[in-house]
Amino acid sequence: DGGITQSPKYLFRKEGQNVTLSCEQNLNHDAMYWYRQDPGQGLRLIYYSQIVNDFQKGDIAEGYSVSREKKESFPLTVTSAQKNPTAFYLCASTPRRRLTFRAFFGQGTRLTVV
Amino acid sequence: QKEVEQNSGPLSVPEGAIASLNCTYSDRGSQSFFWYRQYSGKSPELIMFIYSNGDKEDGRFTAQLNKASQYVSLLIRDSQPSDSATYLCAVIPYNNNDMRFGAGTRLTVKP
Repeated sequence: DGGITQSPKYLFRKEGQNVTLSCEQNLNHDAMYWYRQDPGQGLRLIYYSQIVNDFQKGDIAEGYSVSREKKESFPLTVTSAQKNPTAFYLCASTPRRRLTFRAFFGQGTRLTVV
Repeated sequence: QKEVEQNSGPLSVPEGAIASLNCTYSDRGSQSFFWYRQYSGKSPELIMFIYSNGDKEDGRFTAQLNKASQYVSLLIRDSQPSDSATYLCAVIPYNNNDMRFGAGTRLTVKP
């Protein structure tokens, strides 16, 4: 079955440590997104990518980095520069054509700083 | 001004009632609008999408779009306790291909 896979489901990070969240899709979607969700809040856009080897910053990109070397993969690195990384991270993908813009979400990664 | 705004709630309705959720957006050129439902600790799931002015019905759900007033709403008829969740409004601005979400409205349906 086609879908988006995020891993790990839970991740614990020590202070000053970089961690990478994985996002893989087999839907042949062009666009991929990373969102952050804090308790009781909506989704805030971190980065998005419309094609391979290209990505754009969202509203809260500081302290995060991404790469898009393959169409299927869009990993997110939470760097030590992100001072408050504890949150629920969601990866999504959409076809690039506007009229079929339904987004598919992964199951999320819950990151906790210990 | 936020790009997509929703009342955070919580909105509480009795079982069987109509729940009305509202969303406004700032980019007048936006053309694609979505409603997602999110249960606590889970990822959002698409309920409705709407592109044209007017109403779109799917079972107990009706999405309403008014581009002139820049608002989109979701009506849930015959609300059930299983509808209790956070409902997220999402908009795709005209000049971008990124999805922008509102903060979500938490709905509680009481038996």
